[in-house]
Amino acid sequence: DTAVSQTPKYLVTQMGNDKSIKCEQNLGHDTMYWYKQDSKKFLKIMFSYNNKELIINETVPNRFSPKSPDKAHLNLHINSLELGDSAVYFCASSHTGTSTADTQYFGPGTRLTVL
Amino acid sequence: KQEVTQIPAALSVPEGENLVLNCSFTDSAIYNLQWFRQDPGKGLTSLLLIQSSQREQTSGRLNASLDKSSGRSTLYIAASQPGDSATYLCAVSARGSTLGRLYFGRGTQLTVWP
Repeated sequence: DTAVSQTPKYLVTQMGNDKSIKCEQNLGHDTMYWYKQDSKKFLKIMFSYNNKELIINETVPNRFSPKSPDKAHLNLHINSLELGDSAVYFCASSHTGTSTADTQYFGPGTRLTVL
Repeated sequence: KQEVTQIPAALSVPEGENLVLNCSFTDSAIYNLQWFRQDPGKGLTSLLLIQSSQREQTSGRLNASLDKSSGRSTLYIAASQPGDSATYLCAVSARGSTLGRLYFGRGTQLTVWP
């Protein structure tokens, strides 16, 4: 009965490879997010989707491409991986109303290591 | 641009102490402020959410206050326990930015020793 799940939990790969991280939520939320937590533990938003529509797209290299096949899934594909992409990537979800923003529920994270 | 600062960066206390974690933000135009807990190697767990119209929220031994005009929030933990050891993160959802966009502080790493 996991609320927000991510796969894989750990990902170790070589520079230049292409990899994907998957996220699924079973909370019935309409908005999903991808965050990056760097080595200094600073958490920063990358993307968010509301009802499969991209609504937040931070200044992220276009090697990163999110895809939302439906409201319950948000995947992150990364092309041509670089050393600086090593981080923990968190998926989150929430309800988002017209004037309020509800609690965001986070997945367990995917630790990406680029060698 | 909204910036969130948390003080102290780290805190180590003996079990049983009452403690206060501080969070400040530069732009008072917010939808809400949230406190999260992060355990090592784990995701974030939401502790409390305070809407911009509220002054405080309580959950068990936790009490969070919000003073929007001064751009400050505090998280009060009563009778701390070793199980409270974790990193505590403060985040604000800022008006004028996309709804749901959170700005995070860098966290306070709390250690409670027996």
